Amino acid sequence: DTGVSQDPRHKITKRGQNVTFRCDPISEHNRLYWYRQTLGQGPEFLTYFQNEAQLEKSRLLSNRFSAERPKGSFSTLEIQRTEQGDSAMYLCASSPQGWGNEQFFGPGTRLTVL
Amino acid sequence: GIQVEQSPPDLILQEGANSTLRCNFSDSVNNLQWFHQNPWGQLINLFYIPSGTKQNGRLSATTVATERYSLLYISSSQTTDSGVYFCAALKEGGKLIFGQGTELSVKP
Repeated sequence: DTGVSQDPRHKITKRGQNVTFRCDPISEHNRLYWYRQTLGQGPEFLTYFQNEAQLEKSRLLSNRFSAERPKGSFSTLEIQRTEQGDSAMYLCASSPQGWGNEQFFGPGTRLTVL
Repeated sequence: GIQVEQSPPDLILQEGANSTLRCNFSDSVNNLQWFHQNPWGQLINLFYIPSGTKQNGRLSATTVATERYSLLYISSSQTTDSGVYFCAALKEGGKLIFGQGTELSVKP
């Protein structure tokens, strides 16, 4: 099965450290999305790419966050100078190109900032 | 932007019972999806249903786009159906807007 994969699955870090997460989309999908989910809430959109172009960014994506998809395949999400409020599940999804196409999610990376 | 509201927030059922979960959205949509979030946090796709009715085993969903709501039906519930159910809507671009979820607990 070649679903969406994310690495690592869990990350524990100390406040002030930088962390980087990776997402590999379904191979034929050219759209890739990042969401964040905190305890008891629904996922919230962060950003999305079509191929290597970052098309939309949420206001949730502060200047400590950066996402890249340099070759239009896998993507990375980096958080600099982590804060305790960054503790959350970070979810990646992918979809084929096209208006409103179904999004498929990976297993997520659970970040804990101590 | 579009708003998505789900009801009820919590639901407790006896095994074998049927249930209906509701999702209201505030604007026309190009995408409406239902998910089940498993205990490890992964979102499992149940239905992609911007309009119409679909069925998959004991689950079915109906979206009435003109009235801006969607319903998820679970029949003959099983303990493995427990978890959080989310609906999510997309009007334009790539941003899925999620509801707050319905937490379902099925008791044996």
